Amino acid sequence: GENVEQHPSTLSVQEGDSAVIKCTYSDSASNYFPWYKQELGKRPQLIIDIRSNVGEKKDQRIAVTLNKTAKHFSLHITETQPEDSAVYFCAANNFGNEKLTFGTGTRLTIIP
Amino acid sequence: GAVVSQHPSRVICKSGTSVKIECRSLDFQATTMFWYRQFPKKSLMLMATSNEGSKATYEQGVEKDKFLINHASLTLSTLTVTSAHPEDSSFYICSATRLAGRLNEQFFGPGTRLTVL
Repeated sequence: GENVEQHPSTLSVQEGDSAVIKCTYSDSASNYFPWYKQELGKRPQLIIDIRSNVGEKKDQRIAVTLNKTAKHFSLHITETQPEDSAVYFCAANNFGNEKLTFGTGTRLTIIP
Repeated sequence: GAVVSQHPSRVICKSGTSVKIECRSLDFQATTMFWYRQFPKKSLMLMATSNEGSKATYEQGVEKDKFLINHASLTLSTLTVTSAHPEDSSFYICSATRLAGRLNEQFFGPGTRLTVL
């Protein structure tokens, strides 16, 4: 089955700086990679996703890059703000299987 | 659109009782619903995959007799924790995938915090 590793587990960034979170996956058949943001005690919210037919996707301050050869994908948050503080999870699966495999999560803290 | 609700949001029960958690897709039909368990400061661990009208598929290590799942319709799935014990205390979250939407996109419920005394 799929195995997703995520690094770092915690990340502190000065407000206004950029944050990068990286994930690697094991199943070369995986072709869908979403990122979720979870605030304390709340539900995970999809913030961006990427499919394997593209290498990069951007949505305002958030971007995701995918390297299929190396089997890794990354989340980039620019101009960070205090409300970006949360736990971020990456995930992976393939279209033939709706089941998502989640990474272990990254607790991002933005320092004002 | 794509709202998923869960009920109750919080439950405290005595050891040995059974607890039922409902997961509803409010404005869409869900092809599949998933049940996750999340421990404090940990990731989401998939417990089972639920499809309407068929038996749930449980992940390895999850006791199907302990965690009963019923998927009565395309908008409702229930998880019953039978004979709950303190070690069952956790945050349980469901998610649903849309019947006619982007493939694999999951929408999560707000979660249910179960505390077993």
